[in-house]
Amino acid sequence: DAGVTQSPTHLIKTRGQQVTLRCSPKSGHDTVSWYQQALGQGPQFIFQYYEEEERQRGNFPDRFSGHQFPNYSSELNVNALLLGDSALYLCASRRTGGKGEQYFGPGTRLTVT
Amino acid sequence: AQSVTQLDSQVPVFEEAPVELRCNYSSSVSVYLFWYVQYPNQGLQLLLKYLSGSTLVESINGFEAEFNKSQTSFHLRKPSVHISDTAEYFCAVSDLEGDYKLSFGAGTTVTVRA
Repeated sequence: DAGVTQSPTHLIKTRGQQVTLRCSPKSGHDTVSWYQQALGQGPQFIFQYYEEEERQRGNFPDRFSGHQFPNYSSELNVNALLLGDSALYLCASRRTGGKGEQYFGPGTRLTVT
Repeated sequence: AQSVTQLDSQVPVFEEAPVELRCNYSSSVSVYLFWYVQYPNQGLQLLLKYLSGSTLVESINGFEAEFNKSQTSFHLRKPSVHISDTAEYFCAVSDLEGDYKLSFGAGTTVTVRA
């Protein structure tokens, strides 16, 4: 049973560029959430997708956007990258109807120079 | 909205000694509570969870946590740590009435020394 997978593992971008991160949820899960973990901090909720729609959003600017596909996989897009966007981006999935238990992927380490 | 406070940012401990990581939360609604562990350069792994029922929950690798509603706490304990327990530990809460988004504490770094 495959867990949550994310790609790429690492990414280096320049300020002002755009980036797309990808996530495939755990088998049987249909809800995907994205979190940003800055160095030395706990993860911060970005947004959540279910049935291909954004259901809930954290305190992140519109430069952060996402998408969910019919197969439940998801993308996180960040436009106009800032140095402060450097972080580990974590994808988590859960099964709707489950008791909120979320499973995390290994993350994508984004470095903005 | 919920918030989580982990009271210790770093906890050094000797091998085979006990350890306690403290977590307090605030919420206006009922919550689920979780502990996640993060090993260096890895994602988060669910360590244990409190959803309902018994207030004492245990993991398969010897950790336990107790939900205390009156003190709004969910402290994590292990009676005897191993070198392999060196990691960062995050306490998290999610509410039962929203979409289960997780709110995390800032984390506690546990360093186990021989």
